[in-house]
Amino acid sequence: AQSVAQPEDQVNVAEGNPLTVKCTYSVSGNPYLFWYVQYPNRGLQFLLKYITGDNLVKGSYGFEAEFNKSQTSFHLKKPSALVSDSALYFCAVSSPGGRDDKIIFGKGTRLHILP
Amino acid sequence: DGGITQSPKYLFRKEGQNVTLSCEQNLNHDAMYWYRQDPGQGLRLIYYSQIVNDFQKGDIAEGYSVSREKKESFPLTVTSAQKNPTAFYLCASSIRRDGYYEQYFGPGTRLTVT
Repeated sequence: AQSVAQPEDQVNVAEGNPLTVKCTYSVSGNPYLFWYVQYPNRGLQFLLKYITGDNLVKGSYGFEAEFNKSQTSFHLKKPSALVSDSALYFCAVSSPGGRDDKIIFGKGTRLHILP
Repeated sequence: DGGITQSPKYLFRKEGQNVTLSCEQNLNHDAMYWYRQDPGQGLRLIYYSQIVNDFQKGDIAEGYSVSREKKESFPLTVTSAQKNPTAFYLCASSIRRDGYYEQYFGPGTRLTVT
């Protein structure tokens, strides 16, 4: 069965510092991996995805994520955090060849960027 | 949020009443989904539909019902059988791209039942 874990409920980072939001996954076969961001009382916005190819993927708002197959991880990163990055972040996974097109979401990590 | 509309944004109901949440998409996506979001629990799948006139239960379908009479529309009814209906409800749709599915989300409806 597919699963995704976000081990940190909350991450606090000072503005200007690098940030990392962790995600690990479990799938049978090759994973398709996604990061979404949610601002208060809004829907989820797509940030980036890993499908195949280069392990470092770049996305919106200066975010990037590194796919590590041996560690089954897909951590979200940004070199210099902004206060406006404060939001709830979701990692998600799906796998090819499934009978349907469900995506499994992690429980989310709340990111606080401190001024 | 573009392309998927959910209405209303805030909804208040008395306990014991059924309520229907609207979800419309103009993205021409085949698949549509309903999720429930509670604090600290992430997204939980209620129902999904891969094609018109067909839908499947997700992880927490009890107390909910859906219909998919048109490709663009996937309304969710929260029935009086749902024991804890107060939550934030998110609708999504997806398109198949080169073997994977990419989901797009609506802005959500916050339902409060008292």
